[in-house]
Amino acid sequence: QQQVKQSPQSLIVQKGGIPIINCAYENTAFDYFPWYQQFPGKGPALLIAIRPDVSEKKEGRFTISFNKSAKQFSLHIMDSQPGDSATYFCAASNPDSGTYKYIFGTGTRLKVLA
Amino acid sequence: GAGVSQTPSNKVTEKGKYVELRCDPISGHTALYWYRQSLGQGPEFLIYFQGTGAADDSGLPNDRFFAVRPEGSVSTLKIQRTERGDSAMYLCASSLFASGSYNEQFFGPGTRLTVL
Repeated sequence: QQQVKQSPQSLIVQKGGIPIINCAYENTAFDYFPWYQQFPGKGPALLIAIRPDVSEKKEGRFTISFNKSAKQFSLHIMDSQPGDSATYFCAASNPDSGTYKYIFGTGTRLKVLA
Repeated sequence: GAGVSQTPSNKVTEKGKYVELRCDPISGHTALYWYRQSLGQGPEFLIYFQGTGAADDSGLPNDRFFAVRPEGSVSTLKIQRTERGDSAMYLCASSLFASGSYNEQFFGPGTRLTVL
């Protein structure tokens, strides 16, 4: 019940395309969902995060869509660029209950072709 | 301002040896987290500190792993009698508050541990 399932494992899109990465969770107590971007040999960098009281959040070219009833959320990258080629991780936590650790998905390796 | 820093960036050791990995959180961040990331996997939680105390150490895999944060700032992850299976990237993160929405965790560059 603590798992966060992420798909696809890898994704290749053309420059300008809109890659979509999906995550699903079981624990309904999760109430904070961040997305991280990681380049090889580097630590994860926070991209955008959402709470379940909203269905969508946009920051620049990154959008999170959240479906509370389905217990799913997804990351959309608009107008993708070769520089967006990285591994993306979704995560979930339940800070309101005092549980601050993140449960991460297994990651999606994105390649944006020039 | 400076981000989370971790030293060393790479550590190679032999099976059975003791290692220490250091994390300097962002100044003013009260919460500090350690995660372990194996190749091709997402980070896995190890331990979380609020101030000087370990508030949640449920992710430590066994008693060979121990972490301290004596002054509420710098933290050291200690691994005794290292095994080849301990080889991984060890990530440290910090957050400003450990409550409600102020849980944005900022990660350091990690320490790549290789146990031969």
